[in-house]
Amino acid sequence: DTEVTQTPKHLVMGMTNKKSLKCEQHMGHRAMYWYKQKAKKPPELMFVYSYEKLSINESVPSRFSPECPNSSLLNLHLHALQPEDSALYLCASSQEFSESPLHFGNGTRLTVT
Amino acid sequence: DAKTTQPPSMDCAEGRAANLPCNHSTISGNEYVYWYRQIHSQGPQYIIHGLKNNETNEMASLIITEDRKSSTLILPHATLRDTAVYYCIVRVAIKGDMRFGAGTRLTVKP
Repeated sequence: DTEVTQTPKHLVMGMTNKKSLKCEQHMGHRAMYWYKQKAKKPPELMFVYSYEKLSINESVPSRFSPECPNSSLLNLHLHALQPEDSALYLCASSQEFSESPLHFGNGTRLTVT
Repeated sequence: DAKTTQPPSMDCAEGRAANLPCNHSTISGNEYVYWYRQIHSQGPQYIIHGLKNNETNEMASLIITEDRKSSTLILPHATLRDTAVYYCIVRVAIKGDMRFGAGTRLTVKP
């Protein structure tokens, strides 16, 4: 069990679908993160939010649209994805930028058909 | 550019200590060393972190050399459940980014 909850655990979507990934934490953390992980590769940073404002966007294509509606929730909206976007999407949270570590969820396994 | 260098794979006998090295020769004075591990199909799990001094918790010990150019994660009594990919990461605490390198795949054998 982790303190960062991601839903759904698995998602299959077509290239014309619109779907959203959700992430929730109740640790009072004010920084939240999205990572993408392809098979047998390390996680790659996509977005970072601090106090509900986007602070880092690692040049991610616009078909991925993050949203942080409040300090406990982080969404990743998906539209017009490609099969190569199939991956494990990981969410993490941490205290506002400090030495405190990131806490990760167990991810959403996304398959784009 | 990778900030850390780790061996791609290591084996360890069950019950023995696992010593995982990490080279971070370009580390800056304000960068911390973090260790995470990832068991198949799960999210990365935080293990330990440090700046200069050696650190120990219930999971592991972190030994950082005096010049801070390398570190070693020690799992004192490895079990089969410690089989995972171990990531060593250097990070400036006040910056938001935490970027993973390739990691070391540790296999604990009976």
